[in-house]
Amino acid sequence: KAGVTQTPRYLIKTRGQQVTLSCSPISGHRSVSWYQQTPGQGLQFLFEYFSETQRNKGNFPGRFSGRQFSNSRSEMNVSTLELGDSALYLCASSLESSGRTGELFFGEGSRLTVL
Amino acid sequence: GDSVTQMEGPVTLSEEAFLTINCTYTATGYPSLFWYVQYPGEGLQLLLKATKADDKGSNKGFEATYRKETTSFHLEKGSVQVSDSAVYFCALTRGNDMRFGAGTRLTVKP
Repeated sequence: KAGVTQTPRYLIKTRGQQVTLSCSPISGHRSVSWYQQTPGQGLQFLFEYFSETQRNKGNFPGRFSGRQFSNSRSEMNVSTLELGDSALYLCASSLESSGRTGELFFGEGSRLTVL
Repeated sequence: GDSVTQMEGPVTLSEEAFLTINCTYTATGYPSLFWYVQYPGEGLQLLLKATKADDKGSNKGFEATYRKETTSFHLEKGSVQVSDSAVYFCALTRGNDMRFGAGTRLTVKP
């Protein structure tokens, strides 16, 4: 069974641009969560989508947004990029809402560099 | 709010040494506790979990016991291997989102 797929794996942007990252969950999983991983802050929760609805949201500015499609695929968007947005963005899927089981299946991440 | 605190790394051990990575948590109620592992170049994967006090999670020789009295969930392994080199994350959930610790990098030398 295919795992969680994130695209693109690497990308470089400049300040002020916007970026869209994509995540395809494991087949049958309805929940997709997004995390930002940086050396200084560790793993920080961005948001979770379940059946196309945002379930939870972390403490990130409105420049960070996401959505989930009817096939459970999810995208996150960051607008007006800042240098501090450089990070590894991880997507995780789970059968149910992530908090119910805690069993998340992570993709390899999209590494964003903002110049 | 809920949070997880892990011992700072990096941790460097020789093969066959005993491993302990400390994890304590702050949460109201009764969270479920987890250890995730991230191997180089990969995403995180669930290592073990415990859902109630005094539960012991175990997998691949790793163990952790949910201690409510000390709000801890320390990860242990009796004899580490070079292949255990990775970053280890402690995490909790109370049914909402997952909260992760900062991660502890373990390097095992032959």
